[in-house]
Amino acid sequence: DAGVIQSPRHEVTEMGQEVTLRCKPISGHDYLFWYRQTMMRGLELLIYFNNNVPIDDSGMPEDRFSAKMPNASFSTLKIQPSEPRDSAVYFCASSSTENTEAFFGQGTRLTVV
Amino acid sequence: GEDVEQSLFLSVREGDSSVINCTYTDSSSTYLYWYKQEPGAGLQLLTYIFSNMDMKQDQRLTVLLNKKDKHLSLRIADTQTGDSAIYFCAETKPGGYQKVTFGTGTKLQVIP
Repeated sequence: DAGVIQSPRHEVTEMGQEVTLRCKPISGHDYLFWYRQTMMRGLELLIYFNNNVPIDDSGMPEDRFSAKMPNASFSTLKIQPSEPRDSAVYFCASSSTENTEAFFGQGTRLTVV
Repeated sequence: GEDVEQSLFLSVREGDSSVINCTYTDSSSTYLYWYKQEPGAGLQLLTYIFSNMDMKQDQRLTVLLNKKDKHLSLRIADTQTGDSAIYFCAETKPGGYQKVTFGTGTKLQVIP
């Protein structure tokens, strides 16, 4: 397996634009997580899914953020409208019920100008 | 509380031992982890310890857990320049094994 795959690796967008981040978890994993990493706040859990169903979205900062998982092999994190304070590295991770180890993607570095 | 705290920065000389410390507040934590993040990459699991253990050793890595003080440490023996990275302490709780709470991360700098 190629691991968790995120796209794009880098995204630069203007304030007010919609941004969509994509993630393909490891095949067979039934948990998927979205994290945000900043210098100020460290690594924050935004939302996680189990079997494609959102379980805990208490970390999603505002209604501007939304996440979907239409099937077991794909998830998106959308920010609409984006703001400069959303600039961060966004990580997707996946794990399986049998093993709590979380496997991380390479991250998407988002810059909102 | 659910905070997991770490010192932000540690600098050691190549060949010395590194000790990275972590404190957590929730005594019900079940698994405690150490993850490593190299520049420009995601986090990678290094090792973990179950809460009923005091120590775990894996090659150059030694994890010590003091449940009474809620203190976790990671010792890296014979530190190499390739060990330079950010190290995250993390925990999970009963019933929420998949929800991992990460610490603030400690940046380890190894000086040649």
